[in-house]
Amino acid sequence: QVQLVESGGGVVQPGGSLRLSCAASGFTFSSRGVHWVRQTPGKGLEWVAFVQYDGSSQYYADSVKGRFAVSRDTSKNTLFLQMNSLRVDDTAVYYCAEGYNYCFDYWGQGTLVTVSS
Amino acid sequence: QTVVTQEPSFSVSPGGTVTLTCGLTSGSVSTNYYPSWYQQTPGQAPRTLIYTTNIRSSGVPDRFSGSILGNKAALTITGAQADDESDYYCVLYMGSGIWVFGGGTKLTVL
Repeated sequence: QVQLVESGGGVVQPGGSLRLSCAASGFTFSSRGVHWVRQTPGKGLEWVAFVQYDGSSQYYADSVKGRFAVSRDTSKNTLFLQMNSLRVDDTAVYYCAEGYNYCFDYWGQGTLVTVSS
Repeated sequence: QTVVTQEPSFSVSPGGTVTLTCGLTSGSVSTNYYPSWYQQTPGQAPRTLIYTTNIRSSGVPDRFSGSILGNKAALTITGAQADDESDYYCVLYMGSGIWVFGGGTKLTVL
């Protein structure tokens, strides 16, 4: 079955960097776009970024544009989110989700990123 | 900046029917926005319910249905059950590789 497993979360100081990973299995990773979505503790969901199936194009929410970069390694069935210049309001659980028909199909269980001094 | 709107909270009786909506602060929601719906319980990842307006995701009971009602996307739950008590989120595709979530609706079944 489809499985997405996020890793790389942790505590980082404001202005720091962190790299999240999302290991995918159970579907043809090379044929699907993949999203990052985050959720501030106790709050709603926010779309963060999307990378096309072949990595040719990346798209970002305005709140992270210029600071975050999404990429993928098809040979390893892995998605990445490089987060730089982190701010306190980037604190959230970060989910990766398989993209299908303009929606978020399967979701991982998330990894918590805490930005705090 | 266009915001996606949802009712903050809603209540339904067991066995009852409830319709949650997903609108825009500017303009109307149509199928061109590919509205999708997600259910989330505390501590869990979201679960996909409906995509492309009205297609049920695999394994989703047919008491969940999606539609366009007037100028909004809608999620209707028919015959609500206790375990339907969750947060529900809609997402709209705004074009140019951008998606926007609504603020979510907290559904209470009592």
